[in-house]
Amino acid sequence: GAVVSQHPSRVICKSGTSVKIECRSLDFQATTMFWYRQFPKQSLMLMATSNEGSKATYEQGVEKDKFLINHASLTLSTLTVTSAHPEDSSFYICSARDSMWGRFYGYTFGSGTRLTVV
Amino acid sequence: EDQVTQSPEALRLQEGESSSLNCSYTVSGLRGLFWYRQDPGKGPEFLFTLYSAGEEKEKERLKATLTKKESFLHITAPKPEDSATYLCAVTPLDDQFYFGTGTSLTVIP
Repeated sequence: GAVVSQHPSRVICKSGTSVKIECRSLDFQATTMFWYRQFPKQSLMLMATSNEGSKATYEQGVEKDKFLINHASLTLSTLTVTSAHPEDSSFYICSARDSMWGRFYGYTFGSGTRLTVV
Repeated sequence: EDQVTQSPEALRLQEGESSSLNCSYTVSGLRGLFWYRQDPGKGPEFLFTLYSAGEEKEKERLKATLTKKESFLHITAPKPEDSATYLCAVTPLDDQFYFGTGTSLTVIP
């Protein structure tokens, strides 16, 4: 089945620095990828929808200048947390829409990235 | 307004005690309903996709069913390794994607 690879799985950074998280679709082309944030014991909260070759669409309340999303190819989307602060510490998960030739197969998730800002 | 509601929020079962998790949805046309399993510190792992009412899918001790308003995830004779959070999500015809809040399942040996 479809596989989405997300790196790194864990990252610790100092307050004020930037962190980049990569999300790759390994065996399919993903024109649309999604970035989620998850707090402990809560469900996934959609942050933004990333479309290949165009600007990301951010959900209400998500700062687009803080969470930079780039979807430069059909297999790679990146999320950069800029000027990270301790309140940005969270679990970030990406997913990709698996579809081809007009047929929709579903959504596949990456394994997540645990970001800790100290 | 499109909505997905899961119940119960948490469920504790004895090993071997079968039960069902519920996912109720209100969407303007359904493209697909998904069940995922999520372990702590991991991303959601795909279990099933259901596309139309009446459809059923099985995998080991899990069986997912779908009606026009809800889906059930039946767990038969669960084992401790089935302990996880089970997430339901739906995609309406507009291709949005809505998650439920999940059911945290604990299976006690």
